[in-house]
Amino acid sequence: ELKVEQNPLFLSMQEGKNYTIYCNYSTTSDRLYWYRQDPGKSLESLFVLLSNGAVKQEGRLMASLDTKARLSTLHITAAVHDLSATYFCAVDEEGSNYQLIWGAGTKLIIKP
Amino acid sequence: NAGVTQTPKFRVLKTGQSMTLLCAQDMNHEYMYWYRQDPGMGLRLIHYSVGEGTTAKGEVPDGYNVSRLKKQNFLLGLESAAPSQTSVYFCASSYGGPNQPQHFGDGTRLSIL
Repeated sequence: ELKVEQNPLFLSMQEGKNYTIYCNYSTTSDRLYWYRQDPGKSLESLFVLLSNGAVKQEGRLMASLDTKARLSTLHITAAVHDLSATYFCAVDEEGSNYQLIWGAGTKLIIKP
Repeated sequence: NAGVTQTPKFRVLKTGQSMTLLCAQDMNHEYMYWYRQDPGMGLRLIHYSVGEGTTAKGEVPDGYNVSRLKKQNFLLGLESAAPSQTSVYFCASSYGGPNQPQHFGDGTRLSIL
């Protein structure tokens, strides 16, 4: 059974600081997705990572994938208040019809 | 740009009542999904569809039924609502394929009393 674990589940940080969210998964997969959810809102796709060593960046967010370690990271550089949200990673197995198994989410609060 | 539209946005039911949640997408996506989101947990897949006329069970299908009679619509039914089904329900759609993220609706907040 595929399991996806994120840590930390909650993170409070100051603006301007750097931090990393970790996403571990339990089975072989080379497809990992990051989403963002604002309170009471829908989910927005951030990154799609499709191979070992994949790295994608958008603004202050950078995501990477290490399929051998079954680990993805979402790195936040010089955090700003607007990045406050809950971040989810999700993984699908080949042949699963793109069924996603989701982590529990990391609630990120960035204080001015 | 409608994208994925869910109706209703809020609903309160009594135990044992039935209802249908509607999801409509205008992106010509083949794949559609229904999830539930509970506090402190990620999304859990209820049912999904890989094309018009097809449906399949996800991780937590018990107590729910679905239909995909038209490509653009995916309906989620609760035959006899139970308090354990109190949740936020999200519909999503995608083209299918590894480089195709899912696009989500705004969610339906459902309370079962």
